Amino acid sequence: QVELQESGPGLVKPSETLSLTCTVSGGYVSGETYFWTWIRQRPGQGLEWLGNIYYSGNTHYNPSLESRLSISADTSKTHFSLKLSSVTAADTAVYYCAREDDHDYLAHFDSWGQGILVTVSS
Amino acid sequence: SSELTQDPAVSVALGQTVRITCQGDSLRSYYASWYQQKPGQAPVLVNYAKNKRPSGIPDRFSGSNSGDTASLTITGAQAEDEADYYCHSRDSSGNLRVFGAGTRVTVL
Repeated sequence: QVELQESGPGLVKPSETLSLTCTVSGGYVSGETYFWTWIRQRPGQGLEWLGNIYYSGNTHYNPSLESRLSISADTSKTHFSLKLSSVTAADTAVYYCAREDDHDYLAHFDSWGQGILVTVSS
Repeated sequence: SSELTQDPAVSVALGQTVRITCQGDSLRSYYASWYQQKPGQAPVLVNYAKNKRPSGIPDRFSGSNSGDTASLTITGAQAEDEADYYCHSRDSSGNLRVFGAGTRVTVL
């Protein structure tokens, strides 16, 4: 069973870039049926899909964040990362990485990291 | 449309049955998946596709689909089922993903 773990700074200043890494244990950022995904949850709010990366490197982003968001995977295929630029207090949230299994087009998130709280504040 | 609509909250008596619904145009083409989230914890997959359950999820959690609506039914609700439940699916383009706003289930 693959395990995911988010890491990165818990505090980011407004206007700076939020950078997070998801470490994949027990597997690799690969597989034709998997999308490697970032999801966030603002305090007291619901889940928000941010975007994903396919093993080929293809990415898809939430249109509301597309101009500020970048998701990449390292060449070792053991990590994938999120960069969100020009952050504001509205980007304060728990950020989750997750693996989406899309076998037979039956998309579902079967593995989740524990989440990391990122606060945007000066 | 890229939205999935859920009722904000429902309550159920202990041992009774509750159905949570998720409505959206994309559900006419794609299945939904369902996640349970308890305070301070990461979401957990409880049902997906045509009523598939991950290992370890009790069979009291069942899923169904009809037209533009997906449903998660908890049959014989237990106290530990009190949580927020989120649906998820593709958007109408098929390339992006979307979550419903969540339904808070209270077990009385």
